Amino acid sequence: SQTIHQWPATLVQPVGSPLSLECTVEGTSNPNLYWYRQAAGRGLQLLFYSVGIGQISSEVPQNLSASRPQDRQFILSSKKLLLSDSGFYLCALTRMGANLGEQYFGPGTRLTVT
Amino acid sequence: KQEVTQIPAALSVPEGENLVLNCSFTDSAIYNLQWFRQDPGKGLTSLLLIQSSQREQTSGRLNASLDKSSGRSTLYIAASQPGDSATYLCAVNTDSWGKLQFGAGTQVVVTP
Repeated sequence: SQTIHQWPATLVQPVGSPLSLECTVEGTSNPNLYWYRQAAGRGLQLLFYSVGIGQISSEVPQNLSASRPQDRQFILSSKKLLLSDSGFYLCALTRMGANLGEQYFGPGTRLTVT
Repeated sequence: KQEVTQIPAALSVPEGENLVLNCSFTDSAIYNLQWFRQDPGKGLTSLLLIQSSQREQTSGRLNASLDKSSGRSTLYIAASQPGDSATYLCAVNTDSWGKLQFGAGTQVVVTP
């Protein structure tokens, strides 16, 4: 079965600093990968998804970006963090047949921007 | 635009009672619907996935029904236990890329 790792687990960063969150998966190949954000008092919001290496689609305009340098690695980045970037960031995957497949989530990264 | 609503937002029941959690969605053109559990500070755990062609799915004490035409799904948890305390989220997939639209969740507390 698949496993999703997220690094780091928690992060406190000042406004204006850069960001890099990493998601790696095991136990599956060619997954669709997703970044979601869960902000305090708000629901889960899809930020980015990727269907393959180097293929990124953005769902929400923002100062965040994503990259997929390897099949099982998905990175969320920012050049300059805003206070509004605080939240719980979750990486997820679906296997073949994304329109039918079950979605699995990683343990998340708690980001606090101060 | 698809909107997903979960009512109630919070629910408290004594141990042993059955739990009934509701999820409604505005666009019936879905591929599937998934129920998740989230413990405080943790990621999401998938509970049940119901394809659009299915009426229900069962796993142990959990049973989820889907009425696509009316835009409703219900998650039943039989004989609740304190360990069932968590936030339960439903999400619908209306996209061939697997992008999920989530409800805000129902926070459940099961008291001993």
